[in-house]
Amino acid sequence: QQQVKQSPQSLIVQKGGIPIINCAYENTAFDYFPWYQQFPGKGPALLIAIRPDVSEKKEGRFTISFNKSAKQFSLHIMDSQPGDSATYFCAAKNYGQNFVFGPGTRLSVLP
Amino acid sequence: DTEVTQTPKHLVMGMTNKKSLKCEQHMGHRAMYWYKQKAKKPPELMFVYSYEKLSINESVPSRFSPECPNSSLLNLHLHALQPEDSALYLCASSQVGVGEQYFGPGTRLTVT
Repeated sequence: QQQVKQSPQSLIVQKGGIPIINCAYENTAFDYFPWYQQFPGKGPALLIAIRPDVSEKKEGRFTISFNKSAKQFSLHIMDSQPGDSATYFCAAKNYGQNFVFGPGTRLSVLP
Repeated sequence: DTEVTQTPKHLVMGMTNKKSLKCEQHMGHRAMYWYKQKAKKPPELMFVYSYEKLSINESVPSRFSPECPNSSLLNLHLHALQPEDSALYLCASSQVGVGEQYFGPGTRLTVT
């Protein structure tokens, strides 16, 4: 119930493409869904996040789509750039400050 | 300022050593976290402190001992570690009840 599933495991797109990463959860007590970007040797950086009462949120080139009934959410990266090549983690938080991370997606954006 | 600092950046220790990891934030956050991250894996929550009190311990072995001396500092005391404990140890902070969590750069720990 605490698990967050994430797919695909890895993704390769051309510059300007729109990579999409999908996550799914079971625990309906989760109340906050962030996405993190992590470069090798660095800590994760918060990219964008959404709460379950919102179906979509955009921040710059990053968009989260949220489907509460399906218990799924996804990250879209518009106009992707080689500098976006990193590992992306979705996560979910319950009211107790307990964060659960998805297994991660390694994104490569080719020039 | 959304910075969380961690020291040291790298640490090599033997299985009989005692060492400590340090984390500091000055964002006024009252929730602080320790995570362990193995290569090509997601961060795994170890401990959570809320208002300087331990609120979550994810069944972490007693050779890891957390401490929160004040609202800005978080320590992780290490003793009698095993080689499989080698990993990147991440500290994070947030407001209590709010999800925006900020991570430090991590301490790369190697146990020999």
